[in-house]
Amino acid sequence: EDKVVQSPLSLVVHEGDTVTLNCSYEVTNFRSLLWYKQEKKAPTFLFMLTSSGIEKKSGRLSSILDKKELFSILNITATQTGDSAVYLCAVEAEGGSQGNLIFGKGTKLSVK
Amino acid sequence: KAGVTQTPRYLIKTRGQQVTLSCSPISGHRSVSWYQQTPGQGLQFLFEYFSETQRNKGNFPGRFSGRQFSNSRSEMNVSTLELGDSALYLCASSLVGAHEQYFGPGTRLTVT
Repeated sequence: EDKVVQSPLSLVVHEGDTVTLNCSYEVTNFRSLLWYKQEKKAPTFLFMLTSSGIEKKSGRLSSILDKKELFSILNITATQTGDSAVYLCAVEAEGGSQGNLIFGKGTKLSVK
Repeated sequence: KAGVTQTPRYLIKTRGQQVTLSCSPISGHRSVSWYQQTPGQGLQFLFEYFSETQRNKGNFPGRFSGRQFSNSRSEMNVSTLELGDSALYLCASSLVGAHEQYFGPGTRLTVT
């Protein structure tokens, strides 16, 4: 069965800290891995990764995928209170699974 | 460009009733996916529509159904509501062949 596991489930840090969120997956015919940030309602898209070893970066956030070890990390440097949210990792599979993102349970980040 | 919109935003129904939720995708997006989000299960895929056809379906009972119109707007229907159907229902749209999905604000359904 396809699954996505995120760790830790929750995390409390102080402003200015750097955090690393983890996402491991088992999916047949991997196509892409996506990261979303969910603050109140709608998850907002952060990154999509399809190739191993290529870092995606946006400001203080960055992410990398390891297709051999089946995991991805999301790094946030110099955290701010506005980074407090649930971060969701999702995986899309090839063929026959159009539109179906398999989500992890998320990591709840609290920045104090 | 306007984002994904969902109506209504909040809904309270009683057991046994049925409900219809609506989703308007981003202009130009032809694929619409629906998800159920609960604290215990996280985000779970319901179904995906493209060109008025359901291409993919998750593991939900037949009480959950949907459709898509020629303008790509989509509706989902839940019949014979149960207490366990209380959840945030999210819809997401994407371009044909695109990996990333963009989410609407969701409809919060409470079944009493």
